[in-house]
Amino acid sequence: DADVTQTPRNRITKTGKRIMLECSQTKGHDRMYWYRQDPGLGLRLIYYSFDVKDINKGEISDGYSVSRQAQAKFSLSLESAIPNQTALYFCATSNPGQGANGYTFGSGTRLTVV
Amino acid sequence: AQSVTQLGSHVSVSEGALVLLRCNYSSSVPPYLFWYVQYPNQGLQLLLKYTTGATLVKGINGFEAEFKKSETSFHLTKPSAHMSDAAEYFCAVSDFSGGGADGLTFGKGTHLIIQP
Repeated sequence: DADVTQTPRNRITKTGKRIMLECSQTKGHDRMYWYRQDPGLGLRLIYYSFDVKDINKGEISDGYSVSRQAQAKFSLSLESAIPNQTALYFCATSNPGQGANGYTFGSGTRLTVV
Repeated sequence: AQSVTQLGSHVSVSEGALVLLRCNYSSSVPPYLFWYVQYPNQGLQLLLKYTTGATLVKGINGFEAEFKKSETSFHLTKPSAHMSDAAEYFCAVSDFSGGGADGLTFGKGTHLIIQP
């Protein structure tokens, strides 16, 4: 099993629908992140969480919300999806105690909003 | 605040030629620097990283990068390109300061094209 698992892998949804992307990890890391990848823009940070009670907005949080249900689970929600949220979404974890070795990425969720 | 600039959104080289992908960064603290590769329809794979110590870092698949503090650069090179190197490459920086969003800050990516 992968260390960081994202579900679903692919999703097509309609404008205005609520959708949740899920991320679970077996790394035991405290820190978790959601990134969005758009062609020509690289990856941009949406939200990050240092632990279950510590959630913070990233660079592009508008239109998104998150929930850290447990140390191992970090979900991203689009309350009312719009077409410009069509993108590839990555979840990541890190453990600062491991220094630069600590980042682990999931395989990504490709979301299309029509 | 940190930032990363990757020069050239697309780079084309011939098979067997030198690969050079450029990355410049800005950081208020000593940075940790990374190169990631993304093959079509796949996730991110770590190529190499610089934390401290030796400034020339060797990674997987024959890639290496050199940290040059005076130039704030971390360019990625490979002596001889292979068709399988065709992919998107991302440079990223982290300060691991723990005081804020210590997530990675990514460049916009460079698409490497290998000509036969």
